[in-house]
Amino acid sequence: QVHLVESGGGVVQPGRSLRLSCAASGFTFSSFGMHWVRQTPGKGLEWVSFIPSDGNNQYYADPVKGRFTISRDNSKNTVFLEMNSLKPEDAAVYYCARDAVPDTWEFYFDSWGQGTLVAVSS
Amino acid sequence: EIVLTQSPGTLSFSPGERATLSCRASQRINDRYLAWYQQKPGQAPRLLIFGASNRAPGVPDRFRGSGSGTDFSLTISRLEPEDFAVYFCQQYGTSPITFGQGTRLEI
Repeated sequence: QVHLVESGGGVVQPGRSLRLSCAASGFTFSSFGMHWVRQTPGKGLEWVSFIPSDGNNQYYADPVKGRFTISRDNSKNTVFLEMNSLKPEDAAVYYCARDAVPDTWEFYFDSWGQGTLVAVSS
Repeated sequence: EIVLTQSPGTLSFSPGERATLSCRASQRINDRYLAWYQQKPGQAPRLLIFGASNRAPGVPDRFRGSGSGTDFSLTISRLEPEDFAVYFCQQYGTSPITFGQGTRLEI
């Protein structure tokens, strides 16, 4: 059974950094691309970033480009999101999600973690 | 970017009834690259439909997706108590991928 567990959320001041982790189990992690998707009551669901199964490329939504970095460690079945220069508008529940298609990607999500809350406030 | 509009924001039905939820795109969605998700309070979204009409594994057959171009629908044929939740559509045919704002299905 696919299991994704996010961690690393919390309260951070604007301009500071935070690193989110997502531990995966129950599937061959190295065969699937992984995404981060965030959700707020006001803006709803917003795709943030994607990393393919081999980790050789990274893709970002425009609002986070240049500030966030996605990475993965296939030996530890974990995907990360390094968030720098955080802004109040980055506050959200951050979900890691598995791309539904192995060994390639289609950018829809067949498994999600429970989410981790990031609050950005002075 | 493609804007997905789900209206109305809330629909009210009784268990056993048939519900149809709408998702309208501001531009044509390539190759029917549209998904539907269900989200219950305090939970992550759950994939229901991909490719506009393909049910994800384990999704009951009372859930049916349809549509093409700019107009898509999710129909739940006989509402069960556990179906009352928020439903989101998502297009993944054009970058950036985008989500609708959701429709809340309430009793």
